[in-house]
Amino acid sequence: DTAVSQTPKYLVTQMGNDKSIKCEQNLGHDTMYWYKQDSKKFLKIMFSYNNKELIINETVPNRFSPKSPDKAHLNLHINSLELGDSAVYFCASSQLDRLEAFFGQGTRLTVV
Amino acid sequence: AQKVTQAQTEISVVEKEDVTLDCVYETRDTTYYLFWYKQPPSGELVFLIRRNSFDEQNEISGRYSWNFQKSTSSFNFTITASQVVDSAVYFCALIFGSSNTGKLIFGQGTTLQVKP
Repeated sequence: DTAVSQTPKYLVTQMGNDKSIKCEQNLGHDTMYWYKQDSKKFLKIMFSYNNKELIINETVPNRFSPKSPDKAHLNLHINSLELGDSAVYFCASSQLDRLEAFFGQGTRLTVV
Repeated sequence: AQKVTQAQTEISVVEKEDVTLDCVYETRDTTYYLFWYKQPPSGELVFLIRRNSFDEQNEISGRYSWNFQKSTSSFNFTITASQVVDSAVYFCALIFGSSNTGKLIFGQGTTLQVKP
């Protein structure tokens, strides 16, 4: 009974390709997030959606585009992948008035 | 500035030792929320605790305890009688009250290695 699940867990792809990471939560939360963890383990928010509406859009290249078809899903599409995009991407969800976020298991993206 | 600092990059202890992980935060807001997350070697991020700025009570959960001191802007985490399974990266994080977005600002993380 996974609370926040993201697929795939590992993604190896060549520079210039387009790829997507999918995320689903079954916690009934109203807010979902994408975080990026770099090679030094530093975690930084990228995007957030509240009830399908974008509420956070940090300084992220516009090659990254989130899409939220409904409040249980938040996908991340990345165009024209670059070597520097290699990282672990975490999806998370929370109920905005409760605040504690629950994270998926992460997607390790490697661009070669 | 809204910032979280975990000055200890790596800590190594022997099993059964007590260990304290430091966290210092900066925020202009009077209402804010502090968190600890654990990232074991398997890679997932596990929520451990949330503390509100208006509640300075310390908390104990089994071998884990948290010491929140507004006067020093610190939210330290102590593991008593550490075990090998405690080996992980631990992150302290902050949500400032005026954000209304749930955006977590993370510290750099402290890698804890517990040796048998």
